[in-house]
Amino acid sequence: EPEVTQTPSHQVTQMGQEVILRCVPISNHLYFYWYRQILGQKVEFLVSFYNNEISEKSEIFDDQFSVERPDGSNFTLKIRSTKLEDSAMYFCASSDRVTNTEAFFGQGTRLTVV
Amino acid sequence: AQSVAQPEDQVNVAEGNPLTVKCTYSVSGNPYLFWYVQYPNRGLQFLLKYITGDNLVKGSYGFEAEFNKSQTSFHLKKPSALVSDSALYFCAVREGNRGSTLGRLYFGRGTQLTVWP
Repeated sequence: EPEVTQTPSHQVTQMGQEVILRCVPISNHLYFYWYRQILGQKVEFLVSFYNNEISEKSEIFDDQFSVERPDGSNFTLKIRSTKLEDSAMYFCASSDRVTNTEAFFGQGTRLTVV
Repeated sequence: AQSVAQPEDQVNVAEGNPLTVKCTYSVSGNPYLFWYVQYPNRGLQFLLKYITGDNLVKGSYGFEAEFNKSQTSFHLKKPSALVSDSALYFCAVREGNRGSTLGRLYFGRGTQLTVWP
């Protein structure tokens, strides 16, 4: 069964460092998403991406965040200068269309900023 | 504003008994409703969805959910719980009448289901 894969599963970084979280969406999917879940809190939407551009972003997705689909298979989330409060589980998701369909999620990357 | 409420942080049930995990939502327009499950160290796994049609929808692993528009609820149910159903369950909603490029999901906080033998 096709699945969304994310690497690494766990990343520890120092405050102020840049991190790149990687995702390989399901191959025929066209819509890509990043969500995050701070420990004990809701899963929160960060950004959606379609046709090589951001479709929608939340208030969380400020200038320190960026997304890219560099090579037609990977979908990355970059955090330029990490803060302690960026520590969370980050989920990538993809779907083949937006209407009438569910999104498929990866297993997540746990980011710990120290 | 769009939101999802899962009023119970934990649900405990004995194996073989029916289970219900509650979810209520608030959304502009028609709702698309989803249930996801998360096992330890795993991602969010899709269980079932309501888009339109029958209010009772059936999904994976014997789960079903009932859409109730008047109560704005989408409770997850299973007639006979298994120990292996123990996991974290998330209800999610998106607006059904948003533009075609917008698929943002709004999640509840999650409900930890524990089924004991």
